[in-house]
Amino acid sequence: SQKIEQNSEALNIQEGKTATLTCNYTNYSPAYLQWYRQDPGRGPVFLLLIRENEKEKRKERLKVTFDTTLKQSLFHITASQPADSATYLCARVISSGSARQLTFGSGTQLTVLP
Amino acid sequence: GAGVSQSPRYKVAKRGQDVALRCDPISGHVSLFWYQQALGQGPEFLTYFQNEAQLDKSGLPSDRFFAERPEGSVSTLKIQRTQQEDSAVYLCASSWGGAGELFFGEGSRLTVL
Repeated sequence: SQKIEQNSEALNIQEGKTATLTCNYTNYSPAYLQWYRQDPGRGPVFLLLIRENEKEKRKERLKVTFDTTLKQSLFHITASQPADSATYLCARVISSGSARQLTFGSGTQLTVLP
Repeated sequence: GAGVSQSPRYKVAKRGQDVALRCDPISGHVSLFWYQQALGQGPEFLTYFQNEAQLDKSGLPSDRFFAERPEGSVSTLKIQRTQQEDSAVYLCASSWGGAGELFFGEGSRLTVL
């Protein structure tokens, strides 16, 4: 079966450190990976998209990498702040013609400690 | 509106009742998705529309679940004869299409007693 897995259910780090979250996929190579942030009681909010032919994508303090050999994407938050505390979701995207499949992992709950 | 709007935000139903959840996507968005999210889990795909066409309904858990988008904008997710296991947050998302980002609503939290 085609799965997308996020390694850690929860991650606690100290303010100012770099948080690294992992997303692994099996049995296929997604065309794209997307990362979302979700706060309690809210819908997910899009952060970054990375294509399979891209190694790295950056946006402010965020960085995403995509390693098709390891079948893995890493999501980094540098200089983390307590306001970064949230659940982070990765999602694989496969587009074929008019069809789209967007499948989410179970999420990693990040807590940045002051 | 400025974003995806879902209603009601909260719904409590007695087991066996029918419920209808509404989604107003961002104007002009072609794609519309429904997801179900259980506590502590990621969103699980239910169904996908491109305009008014329901192109994928493989995630609907049973024939008690039905979704429509008759005019290619507003969508309704209907759950008939609700069961306790239907309790979850139902998220609606829309996008321009392709592989672009999804814009999510705040969700409708359904509790079945």
